[in-house]
Amino acid sequence: EAGVVQSPRYKIIEKKQPVAFWCNPISGHNTLYWYLQNLGQGPELLIRYENEEAVDDSQLPKDRFSAERLKGVDSTLKIQPAELGDSAVYLCASSIGQGEYGELFFGEGSRLTVL
Amino acid sequence: DAKTTQPNSMESNEEEPVHLPCNHSTISGTDYIHWYRQLPSQGPEYVIHGLTSNVNNRMASLAIAEDRKSSTLILHRATLRDAAVYYCILSVANTGNQFYFGTGTSLTVIP
Repeated sequence: EAGVVQSPRYKIIEKKQPVAFWCNPISGHNTLYWYLQNLGQGPELLIRYENEEAVDDSQLPKDRFSAERLKGVDSTLKIQPAELGDSAVYLCASSIGQGEYGELFFGEGSRLTVL
Repeated sequence: DAKTTQPNSMESNEEEPVHLPCNHSTISGTDYIHWYRQLPSQGPEYVIHGLTSNVNNRMASLAIAEDRKSSTLILHRATLRDAAVYYCILSVANTGNQFYFGTGTSLTVIP
């Protein structure tokens, strides 16, 4: 069974440019998460989807970040325009249900460097 | 945020047991305790979770204190592949079971 797939693995852009990250969750997982991980820190939740509905986006900086999960499967996280402080790893995860009784499955992450 | 407190780092000799502690004094009755680990350049991976009773699986054991204010992840025989950052996390029911990761414990396994 394929795991959570993310792309690109690495992205280098100049500040003020847009960037997008894509995530394909495990088949059948209705909950999808985007996390941000800064160097030396644990992951921080940006947004959580139940099917195609964003049920928790309180930590998503909505002035420059946006996300969508069309048809309740794949998801895209976009940053426009990127700032130097956005350099981090963006992790996607999926789970069956809300994960409280079981596990979240994470992708390998997309590492963003903003110059 | 639902807070957990872990040591920043620990060392263990290869093939010896490792006990990774976690304090979660503000835990409520419906909060699950989860452990994940993250190898370098990888996303976190699930290790184990529990509510009240001790739990065992193929990777590790989870010992939960009777008052649930602390827990310990036990790796029975550390291998070099167990070198990772270990996160102790509470899933907090009243926040839609959002997972709050802290900074974790960086485990070094010495050959």
